[in-house]
Amino acid sequence: GQNIDQPTEMTATEGAIVQINCTYQTSGFNGLFWYQQHAGEAPTFLSYNVLDGLEEKGRFSSFLSRSKGYSYLLLKELQMKDSASYLCAVNQAGTALIFGKGTTLSVSS
Amino acid sequence: NAGVTQTPKFRILKIGQSMTLQCAQDMNHNYMYWYRQDPGMGLKLIYYSVGAGITDKGEVPNGYNVSRSTTEDFPLRLELAAPSQTSVYFCASTGQGVGYEQYFGPGTRLTVT
Repeated sequence: GQNIDQPTEMTATEGAIVQINCTYQTSGFNGLFWYQQHAGEAPTFLSYNVLDGLEEKGRFSSFLSRSKGYSYLLLKELQMKDSASYLCAVNQAGTALIFGKGTTLSVSS
Repeated sequence: NAGVTQTPKFRILKIGQSMTLQCAQDMNHNYMYWYRQDPGMGLKLIYYSVGAGITDKGEVPNGYNVSRSTTEDFPLRLELAAPSQTSVYFCASTGQGVGYEQYFGPGTRLTVT
């Protein structure tokens, strides 16, 4: 079986830091992706983790613990434009991705 | 490069009608995917292809068919449309397979009534 869990919704204020968690149970693991999706638009790539640890890319960082089946996306210095859905996806085997349901983040001023 | 393009952007179908959703990419990517996204349900993989002439089923293939006669094109066929197929359909591609980002098209919003 396979299961990817994320919180449904989160709220935060401009300038703050927010952490979006993702836990997964899959029969295989070839890496974990985070995508951002603004309302009415296509998903766009944010990060990829295949080894344990933290990957930093500007205001966004992503962490992976394979032994715990756990990842998080950390967003710093939040801006209004960061209001979007954040999708966690696992490459279980081969080239196809299994997506979680996504976390809708609302940033207020 | 145009990237991944999809047509049409919107479509309304009556129950029992058929249609083809078009997807094309100009990045010479081998791997192409079709997803559907229902509200609050994330993306579900319908079919995927690892190269011209090769296709495989994803999580939710029932009611759909695909073909991959060229590297560039990956059309999705709906036969006998049903209200359960009302969704937003995204096509995606990647050049390297495992570990590389997928590029998504803008999506097709389909309503079946």
